[in-house]
Amino acid sequence: GDSVTQMEGPVTLSEEACLTINCTYTATGYPSLFWYVQYPGEGLQLLLKATKADDKGSNKGFEATYRKETTSFHLEKGSVQVSDSAVYFCALTSYGKLTFGQGTILTVHP
Amino acid sequence: DGGITQSPKYLFRKEGQNVTLSCEQNLNHDAMYWYRQDPGQGLRLIYYSQIVNDFQKGDIAEGYSVSREKKESFPLTVTSAQKNPTAFYLCASSGPGRASMNQPQHFGDGTRLSIL
Repeated sequence: GDSVTQMEGPVTLSEEACLTINCTYTATGYPSLFWYVQYPGEGLQLLLKATKADDKGSNKGFEATYRKETTSFHLEKGSVQVSDSAVYFCALTSYGKLTFGQGTILTVHP
Repeated sequence: DGGITQSPKYLFRKEGQNVTLSCEQNLNHDAMYWYRQDPGQGLRLIYYSQIVNDFQKGDIAEGYSVSREKKESFPLTVTSAQKNPTAFYLCASSGPGRASMNQPQHFGDGTRLSIL
């Protein structure tokens, strides 16, 4: 079946540091890929998405590129802020069903 | 503003009791979903519904039941058969139309269920 694997967390960074959260997937067919963010005590919010190979999703300074050859969708940001502290989930959808990674906790210190 | 409302935010259940979690959306979405979130395990799909009066089991449906009598509402009942119900429950929706590969899901703020 489909699966998503994220890098182990938690990740702790200083403000203005660079961020990369790795995500790889296995899926049948041609899935769409998503990054969701969850702030403390809240539900998930869609951060960005990519629907086909080589697409780049971007939002709020975050980027991720759909790499079919490496089955990856790594999340990157050039300069993180304290307000970026949250849990980040990589996910794919295949035939309407979302499959999530286990989540990566990001903490950014001033 | 359109969105998904889950209530209550916190819920406590005694052993042996059934409890129902509410999920209402005013996004005019056709598809709705229930997920369970446990620490370090991401989200797991409990049930989903593509249209009114129709729903399918997800990956961990045992001990749960749902109904979809109205487009806007998709309540989840955690029955006494669910042996480990303590978790954070998230409702989501997508649309318009039946769930498709390109549609993101929109989430409520969740209900945290605890056993007394």
